[in-house]
This record gives sequence, C-alpha cells and structure tokens, in this order.
Amino acid sequence: AQKVTQTQTSISVMEKTTVTMDCVYETQDSSYFLFWYKQTASGEIVFLIRQDSYKKENATVGHYSLNFQKPKSSIGLIITATQIEDSAVYFCAMREGSGGYKVVFGSGTRLLVSP
Amino acid sequence: NAGVIQTPRHKVTGKGQEATLWCEPISGHSAVFWYRQTIVQGLEFLTYFRNQAPIDDSGMPKERFSAQMPNQSHSTLKIQSTQPQDSAVYLCASSPRLGSQDTQYFGPGTRLLVL
Repeated sequence: AQKVTQTQTSISVMEKTTVTMDCVYETQDSSYFLFWYKQTASGEIVFLIRQDSYKKENATVGHYSLNFQKPKSSIGLIITATQIEDSAVYFCAMREGSGGYKVVFGSGTRLLVSP
Repeated sequence: NAGVIQTPRHKVTGKGQEATLWCEPISGHSAVFWYRQTIVQGLEFLTYFRNQAPIDDSGMPKERFSAQMPNQSHSTLKIQSTQPQDSAVYLCASSPRLGSQDTQYFGPGTRLLVL
C-alpha cells in the first residue's frame, strides 16, 4: 500500500533564506506521481509542484524546486528566498500509476517564516 | 472562475442526525474528489468521480457515508446518523482532466461539528 511520510512537524526560518522540507514515500509501483500542496492559515489548499517518477530532472516552478532521489524514495521540497507569505502547512502527496487517481497525503510540515 | 464551491461552510449537527455536504466543481472539470481532514488523521482520501461516475470509494467508511454526483455541476457527501468522530473538515477538489495534468483544485471545505 502506498504511504507518504513527513517527519518534520514544523520548521522556522528567517525571511529570504532557503528551506528544505523532507518527504519519503513507499510504493510497489514502478510508475508514480509526487505532489506538493500548501495549506494557508485560511485553510485554502493550493497545488505547488509535481514530479513524475519517470522524469530524471528535478521539477522547478518559481521559487519552488524538488530534490527527487528515487533510490531513497525521497522527494524534498526546496523553497528559495522565502517570504513571510510562505508561512503555511506543506503537504507531500503521491498517486500510484496503477492506483487510478487516488492521492495519499503526508501529515504535513508547518513552515513559519519570520522577518 | 469562482473556484470549487462548498456549502455550507460550517455545519453543526446533533449526534444521530444526518448531514449533507455539497460541492460544485469548477465548470468543465471532469473529476471530483472528496477528502476529510482532522488533526489526528490528517488529510484522508474518501472517494472520487470521473465524468460523474464513481470510480474509487476505498476511503469511505463502510457505514453511514455515501457520495453521489447526479450531474456535472455538483456532488454531495451524505453522512447518516452522525457521530462525534465524524467531526472534521470535509474538502472537495476538482481536476480538469485525469492524466498527465491531473492537478487538483480544492474548495474551502465544510467544517462539520457533531455534538
């Protein structure tokens, strides 16, 4: 069964620094898709970035990038030049290629960016 | 584009009462997902529909919970004989298509409190 684990409960950083959030996953599938979502204080959940397992290049969108280490079943989210508004809870998620479109989420990492 | 609409935003029910939660997906989106979010369990997948057809309800509790999508403009999640442990935020998400571009767009959620 698929499983996503985020061990960092919370992280605090200073504004304009770089932060990395960890995520490890378990799957028996050779094809799978990894996602990061952000939940703001208002409760809104927003898609940030995805990595398809067959792609070797790390995905990058704006100031978000991924560190995909397939042998370690790891997909870290890197936020560069953090801003106050990046403060939120970040969820890692996975969809298996053979599992339809069911998405399993990790427990989330709370990021606090201070001025 | 109004985004995914969920009503009501808050609902309080007494133990044993029925609760019906509504979701209006983004117009033109072909897939609708339901999730439940609690502090203890985090974000849990419940079920999803594709082109109004139920595809995977593996996350739905076997009793008391049911979901329908009678037309492309709305889906409902019904909980019969609500129990205090059903208290959670219920989130609906829609996706424009299922495939390589299956990003999910989340609604604001319905906060259900069962007394």
